[in-house]
Amino acid sequence: NAGVTQTPKFQVLKTGQSMTLQCAQDMNHEYMSWYRQDPGMGLRLIHYSVGAGITDQGEVPNGYNVSRSTTEDFPLRLLSAAPSQTSVYFCASTPGFYSNQPQHFGDGTRLSIL
Amino acid sequence: AQKVTQAQTEISVVEKEDVTLDCVYETRDTTYYLFWYKQPPSGELVFLIRRNSFDEQNEISGRYSWNFQKSTSSFNFTITASQVVDSAVYFCALSESSGYSTLTFGKGTMLLVSP
Repeated sequence: NAGVTQTPKFQVLKTGQSMTLQCAQDMNHEYMSWYRQDPGMGLRLIHYSVGAGITDQGEVPNGYNVSRSTTEDFPLRLLSAAPSQTSVYFCASTPGFYSNQPQHFGDGTRLSIL
Repeated sequence: AQKVTQAQTEISVVEKEDVTLDCVYETRDTTYYLFWYKQPPSGELVFLIRRNSFDEQNEISGRYSWNFQKSTSSFNFTITASQVVDSAVYFCALSESSGYSTLTFGKGTMLLVSP
């Protein structure tokens, strides 16, 4: 069972470049989300989706774009990378869009913006 | 708005000591869910426990135990007889029934267990 797969695991970008972080799950989960983890800040929600074609903003959405064309995939796009977006990014999924199920997390993408 | 506070930034103990990680939460919902996750040095997030707001029973799983008290809005986590493998960052998180499955995390507590 693959679970939640994130690619790439590491990436270095230059300021202004764009990039897509990939996230795929094979558990047929309705709910998917993206978090960023910064030192001393815990994890903060960027965007989430409750199903194909439905997305919404989280706590820190600026500078990021998402779409959900299939149940399996939920890519995160950085439109014009900035040093403030240097972080570790986690994708997560859960069976339903109600809050009682634990989330399955990917292994993370460590992103550095120079 | 919901909030989770983990006041302990870092805790250092010697192996075999007991240690308690504190978690205090704020929410206006009457139905909500609390979680603990472990992040070992390898970086992945490991689910430990879920507790719903209607179940105040304490839970024990091996060396781990959790104490949920609605009266003080706390969901504390105790490791008994700590081991070096327990060294990790531990996150407490809250999900409200009105907010889909979005999690609000505390800032985490780094636990260092030395031999």
